[in-house]
Amino acid sequence: GAGVSQSPSNKVTEKGKDVELRCDPISGHTALYWYRQSLGQGLEFLIYFQGNSAPDKSGLPSDRFSAERTGGSVSTLTIQRTQQEDSAVYLCASSSGTGVQPQHFGDGTRLSIL
Amino acid sequence: QKEVEQDPGPLSVPEGAIVSLNCTYSNSAFQYFMWYRQYSRKGPELLMYTYSSGNKEDGRFTAQVDKSSKYISLFIRDSQPSDSATYLCAMSPWRTGTASKLTFGTGTRLQVTL
Repeated sequence: GAGVSQSPSNKVTEKGKDVELRCDPISGHTALYWYRQSLGQGLEFLIYFQGNSAPDKSGLPSDRFSAERTGGSVSTLTIQRTQQEDSAVYLCASSSGTGVQPQHFGDGTRLSIL
Repeated sequence: QKEVEQDPGPLSVPEGAIVSLNCTYSNSAFQYFMWYRQYSRKGPELLMYTYSSGNKEDGRFTAQVDKSSKYISLFIRDSQPSDSATYLCAMSPWRTGTASKLTFGTGTRLQVTL
């Protein structure tokens, strides 16, 4: 597609429920990143994929968070047993090739935990 | 202390003014520097991408990097109301063979008034 696509754009759920967030990167981009943006905070790195493997998962805040990428394209970020502190905007970015390439972002999923 | 410091603002300027936005950083491994613009409820949009110290110009935007002082700047000439947004600096260490996460500042809110 023309840009990075994320769905849903908004998600409201109750504490304790599981949520799945989806990212469809720019066609041909091999690297995919997940970040989290909380109110008043900068973007916080969560995980990145090169192809289907995740060389860096260092930003995942707890074992309730997991992510996968299939076919070198779409990625899903899953949060289990959601907590109120998980409320944030979850942003996905993609870049081409290896090395330090510019990252292009989607518009994010705005997650609210009641 | 955060690796990247950025004044959150808000910064209010009249239309036509020259705007100066700045970030300082502490990690000397950072070699790549980016500026993103983020409108409300949208994802960050890449504005400038630089590697070396010095200036890079693109239209009304000039990015400046001073690695010796660990200080980067974005200048906007002839500012317009459409420039009203949050500006995020981001940086990354040099990597070969693998992609790299970005470390972001918290963003500066800019308001350009008529």
